[in-house]
Amino acid sequence: GENVEQHPSTLSVQEGDSAVIKCTYSDSASNYFPWYKQELGKGPQLIIDIRSNVGEKKDQRIAVTLNKTAKHFSLHITETQPEDSAVYFCAASKPGNQFYFGTGTSLTVIP
Amino acid sequence: NAGVTQTPKFRVLKTGQSMTLLCAQDMNHEYMYWYRQDPGMGLRLIHYSVGEGTTAKGEVPDGYNVSRLKKQNFLLGLESAAPSQTSVYFCASRLAGGPYEQFFGPGTRLTVL
Repeated sequence: GENVEQHPSTLSVQEGDSAVIKCTYSDSASNYFPWYKQELGKGPQLIIDIRSNVGEKKDQRIAVTLNKTAKHFSLHITETQPEDSAVYFCAASKPGNQFYFGTGTSLTVIP
Repeated sequence: NAGVTQTPKFRVLKTGQSMTLLCAQDMNHEYMYWYRQDPGMGLRLIHYSVGEGTTAKGEVPDGYNVSRLKKQNFLLGLESAAPSQTSVYFCASRLAGGPYEQFFGPGTRLTVL
């Protein structure tokens, strides 16, 4: 199966700074890489995703980059705000197949 | 449009007891999933279903059974609960042909004493 590793496990940044979370995957056949945000007491919610035929995708303050050769992808959050504080999960999947999640990153944005 | 709902929200069981967790979605999604979330281990897939009447094993299926008798419902059963099954359980669903976004329910916190 797939093995997804995520770093760091915890991250603290000052409000307005950038945050970067990195994930690696093992199965070269994986071609879909979503990022989920989980707020306390709630289920995860998709914030951005990328397919393997794309190197980068942006949505306002959030961006994801993918390096297929190195099998790693990263989440970038710019101009962080206190409401960005949450746990973030990366995942990898093949079409029609199950998803494999990273172990999560707890992000704290300090006002 | 309620999305994905889970019943119950909390439950405490004694070792050896049985229970069923219910997941319901009103988005006409073909695929449904059951995950467990444990501290430091992320989300791990227990079982999933690609359509009514079909189920398949995920990463950690032992000790669990599932059924998908109706497209909108996915049931997760614990026949003889063990303390190792203490966890938060999430159900998710998505369309078969894409987009691949999974929609998650709010979770069920289960404690087995």
